Amino acid sequence: GAVVSQHPSRVICKSGTSVKIECRSLDFQATTMFWYRQFPKQSLMLMATSNEGSKATYEQGVEKDKFLINHASLTLSTLTVTSAHPEDSSFYICSARDDSINTEAFFGQGTRLTVV
Amino acid sequence: AQKITQTQPGMFVQEKEAVTLDCTYDTSDPSYGLFWYKQPSSGEMIFLIYQGSYDQQNATEGRYSLNFQKARKSANLVISASQLGDSAMYFCAMREGYSSASKIIFGSGTRLSIRP
Repeated sequence: GAVVSQHPSRVICKSGTSVKIECRSLDFQATTMFWYRQFPKQSLMLMATSNEGSKATYEQGVEKDKFLINHASLTLSTLTVTSAHPEDSSFYICSARDDSINTEAFFGQGTRLTVV
Repeated sequence: AQKITQTQPGMFVQEKEAVTLDCTYDTSDPSYGLFWYKQPSSGEMIFLIYQGSYDQQNATEGRYSLNFQKARKSANLVISASQLGDSAMYFCAMREGYSSASKIIFGSGTRLSIRP
C-alpha cells in the first residue's frame, strides 16, 4: 500500500530554535498533504492543509508564522516550528492522499517534538 | 459544533469477544467518507476501514466491519473475535467531499483494552 514517510520521528530542541519536519509520499503523488497535532491522550487536531505550489491553508487559531509549511513538490511537504517553546512540545503527524485513488489518507509515523 | 462524536472514552473487552465502537457524525454534504483508524502506543495511525456515503453495502475488512446507518448518521466499528493486539486507541474520522483536498477530521477516540 501507499507509504508516507515522516522524519524525524523524535526531536529534542532548545527553546528559541526552529525545527523542520519532513513528510514524503514515497510511491504516490499528493497534491495535498495535511498536518495534525496531537496532545497526550487527545485526538488529532488539524493544523493546516498543505497545497503543492501554493500557500498552505491554516485552521482557525493556528499561527501561520509559527508553523511554516512548504509544499515544494508533489511528494514533499515540510512543517517548520519556528522559535520553538516548551508549549510547542507535542506529537505532529502528517497525512497525504493519493491523487489517483479517492479513498483513505495515509499517515506518516509522526514526530514527537520536545522543546526544553 | 462537534462533527464526529465518539461517546466511549474507554472500553474493556474480554479476548475473543466481539466489540462495537460507536461513532456518530454530522454533515450536510451528501458526499462524504467515513474512516476508522487504530493508533497503538507507538503513535502511528493505522487505517482500518472506509465507508463512502454512497456505498450501498457496509464495508468489511477481515475482522473489521463498519455498521453504517446513514439515516441515523452513525458509523460504528465492529471488531470480531478480539485479540490482545487490538488494544489501542481507535479514532473515527470523516471527510466531507471527495476531492483530494477535502480534509479529514477526527473524533475524540476510544481507548480499547482487551483482557486476556
